[in-house]
Amino acid sequence: GENVEQHPSTLSVQEGDSAVIKCTYSDSASNYFPWYKQELGKGPQLIIDIRSNVGEKKDQRIAVTLNKTAKHFSLHITETQPEDSAVYFCAASAGGGADGLTFGKGTHLIIQP
Amino acid sequence: DAGVIQSPRHEVTEMGQEVTLRCKPISGHDYLFWYRQTMMRGLELLIYFNNNVPIDDSGMPEDRFSAKMPNASFSTLKIQPSEPRDSAVYFCASSLGFLAAYNEQFFGPGTRLTVL
Repeated sequence: GENVEQHPSTLSVQEGDSAVIKCTYSDSASNYFPWYKQELGKGPQLIIDIRSNVGEKKDQRIAVTLNKTAKHFSLHITETQPEDSAVYFCAASAGGGADGLTFGKGTHLIIQP
Repeated sequence: DAGVIQSPRHEVTEMGQEVTLRCKPISGHDYLFWYRQTMMRGLELLIYFNNNVPIDDSGMPEDRFSAKMPNASFSTLKIQPSEPRDSAVYFCASSLGFLAAYNEQFFGPGTRLTVL
């Protein structure tokens, strides 16, 4: 089955700086890669996703890159703000997202004022 | 829409008791997923349904776990008998399905289960 590795487990950055979270996956059939943000006591919420036919996608301060050859994808957050503090999860799916997601272990992002 | 609704939000029970978690997906969504979140194992898929039919239950940990979806607006996850290692946050999620252009899985707020 699919295995998703996520690094780092904790990331502390100064407000206004950029944050990068990296994930690797094992199943070459995976074709859908969402990123979720989870705040304390809440369910995960999708912030951006990318499909295997695209190398990069951007939405305001958030961007995701995908390297299918290396089976590697990354989340980039620019101009970080205090409200970006949360746990971020990467995930992968071989069914375009219609099947279950395999999640990484999560990154606790801390924005220092 | 109110989003995915889960009940109860918190459940404390004693070992050996039966526990039933409930989920109401977003209206019109064809897929429903049950996940479990623990510190040790992270977020794990337990089972998912398409049009009320279970598609993949390979993530269900043991026969003590069962899930049903009697109609498009309701699903249950049952643990009988419960054990302390079942303590976790259980999430339900729903999505439009494979043919949708945007296949986001929307998560509910979760049920925090504590088995004493």
